[in-house]
Order: sequence, then C-alpha cells, then structure tokens
Amino acid sequence: DTAVSQTPKYLVTQMGNDKSIKCEQNLGHDTMYWYKQDSKKFLKIMFSYNNKELIINETVPNRFSPKSPDKAHLNLHINSLELGDSAVYFCASSRGPIQETQYFGPGTRLLVL
Amino acid sequence: GENVEQHPSTLSVQEGDSAVIKCTYSDSASNYFPWYKQELGKRPQLIIDIRSNVGEKKDQRIAVTLNKTAKHFSLHITETQPEDSAVYFCAAMDSSYKLIFGSGTRLLVRP
Repeated sequence: DTAVSQTPKYLVTQMGNDKSIKCEQNLGHDTMYWYKQDSKKFLKIMFSYNNKELIINETVPNRFSPKSPDKAHLNLHINSLELGDSAVYFCASSRGPIQETQYFGPGTRLLVL
Repeated sequence: GENVEQHPSTLSVQEGDSAVIKCTYSDSASNYFPWYKQELGKRPQLIIDIRSNVGEKKDQRIAVTLNKTAKHFSLHITETQPEDSAVYFCAAMDSSYKLIFGSGTRLLVRP
C-alpha cells in the first residue's frame, strides 16, 4: 500500500540517451511534483501539476519534459542525458498546491556515465 | 524569488541533549514552513510544519517557532535519541506556491 511510488529505483545510462521515470500516487491527491536532489543533497523543485495542469515550471533545460496522463500519475522524460543530470529525482504529491503536506516517493537514483 | 538559509550545516549532540536548527527566509509573503527529515538513502518525510498565523507548534519532542517579523523559524528537538540522526531540511512556501528548501543540517546524536 505504498502511497507514492516511483520506477525505476536506479537508472544507469550513457550520455546522450533518453530515459523516463514514472511516478504514481494512490492517495487521491490533486497535486504532484518533481524535485531534483543533487550530490550536495540540495532539494530543488522542477515541476508541479495540479489536476493534470502544469502550474510550476522552474528554469530547467527543455530536455526535461513532464507528462501527467491523469491525476494519479506524473512521468518525467529526459532527452539527451548529460553528466550533470546525475542526481536523485523525487516525485511528491499533496492534496492541493497551497500549504498542504507534500509526500515524497522513494526517489530514482540516476547516474549518467 | 524566495531564498532560504539554514544553519548549522552539521550538528553533533550528546544523546539526551537538545538540538536547534535555524532558518531564515526572504519573501515576506511566504506563509507555510514545513520541516523534513531525511535518513540516509531514504525519502524526505515531514516531521512538523507551521503556518504563518501561529508562532509556535509542538509535537512531543519536536517544536517549531516562527518569527514573521524577523523572517526566521527554528526547529527544536529535545531529549535527542540516536534515531534522530539524519539530515533535516527547512522549507518555505513562497507566493507562487513553490516549496523552497534550505541546504540541510546533518544531525548526529552520539550515544
């Protein structure tokens, strides 16, 4: 009965490849997020969707494209992977976008070689 | 945009002592301040949060204080235990509903 789940847990790939990370939540939440945690543990918001609509789009390269097929799913596709993309990517969800607790998924550890 | 600064970056305390972590923020419109605990290799998990209409909130050994005038908020952990060892992050939700995180505090509780 995992609340927020992500696949895969680990992803090792070569520079230039395209990869996707999937996220699902079974909490009935309306809002989902993608965060990036770099090697210094700094957590930074990338995107947020509310009811399948993009509401936060931080300054990330356009190689990163989120997609929300429905309220329970938020995927992240990354084109032309670069060494600097190596990080842990966390999905999160909340009941709504304003002052609600955000529940994080287990993270996807991406290593670009 | 919002900027959150967190201190100290590392904190080592003896089991049973108290630990205090402090954060400052820049956007006076920020109104929601959660604290997350992240154990090694795990996801961040909310431990306590505070909204701008209160100055203090307590949950057992954990308390958070908020000073809106000075734009700072603090986490207090009393009677620390070895299982409190983790990285703690403060965060502030800015006027565009983005959660901006501090840089984290690595807390070590020595048995």
